[in-house]
Amino acid sequence: DIQMTQSPSSLSASVGDRVTITCRASQSITSYLNWYQQKPGKAPSLLIYGASSLQSGVPSRFSGSGSGADFTLTISSLQPEDFAAYYCQQSFNTPYTFGQGTKLE
Amino acid sequence: QVQLQESGPGLVKPSQTLSLTCTVSGGSISRGNFYWSWIRQPAGKGLEWIGRIYISGSTNFNPSLKSRLSMFMDTSKNQFSLKLTSVTAADTAVYYCARINTRSGSRFDYWGHGTLVTVSA
Repeated sequence: DIQMTQSPSSLSASVGDRVTITCRASQSITSYLNWYQQKPGKAPSLLIYGASSLQSGVPSRFSGSGSGADFTLTISSLQPEDFAAYYCQQSFNTPYTFGQGTKLE
Repeated sequence: QVQLQESGPGLVKPSQTLSLTCTVSGGSISRGNFYWSWIRQPAGKGLEWIGRIYISGSTNFNPSLKSRLSMFMDTSKNQFSLKLTSVTAADTAVYYCARINTRSGSRFDYWGHGTLVTVSA
């Protein structure tokens, strides 16, 4: 299985901050990397797919970059509704695997 | 707008079989380019992919669950289902169904709200 490691596990930030979350795969996954946001008691929602493509309806302050084994999710200017957990997920092969999550506080 | 809704018992006894159904509305599960999947999340923990099924009936399962897992589709009802046998407390989790969009890479683009399944006597 491909292991996905996110850092940090938690992050304290303020409204207006630029925030970066990193995700590392245990092998190259080219660009098969997705990012999700999950708010308490809710299902995850897709933010970024293919490492850098913005899902329809997602605000442009979210962006993704990277290829191979190293990826980043950036929120350019944190908004109150962005305080949530974030997960990366590889779709290079099955079993699909997720990072352990980053809680933005 | 595609919507998914999980249904099934919220409480299952140890050693019994967990059965869940996902009903899809706003789009046919028979369309190509989409797999249909289950993901679970124990309380306070991360996400674990369970498996996926395609309209052809082809399935892929997480090896950690493969020996206990089966999935089915009912195109007449626009539903797909999960059966997990010999459950233990470790199977207690919120179970989500989701659509996998395979155009330009695979991703879970629509999710159900999730259903909590507790394994307890």
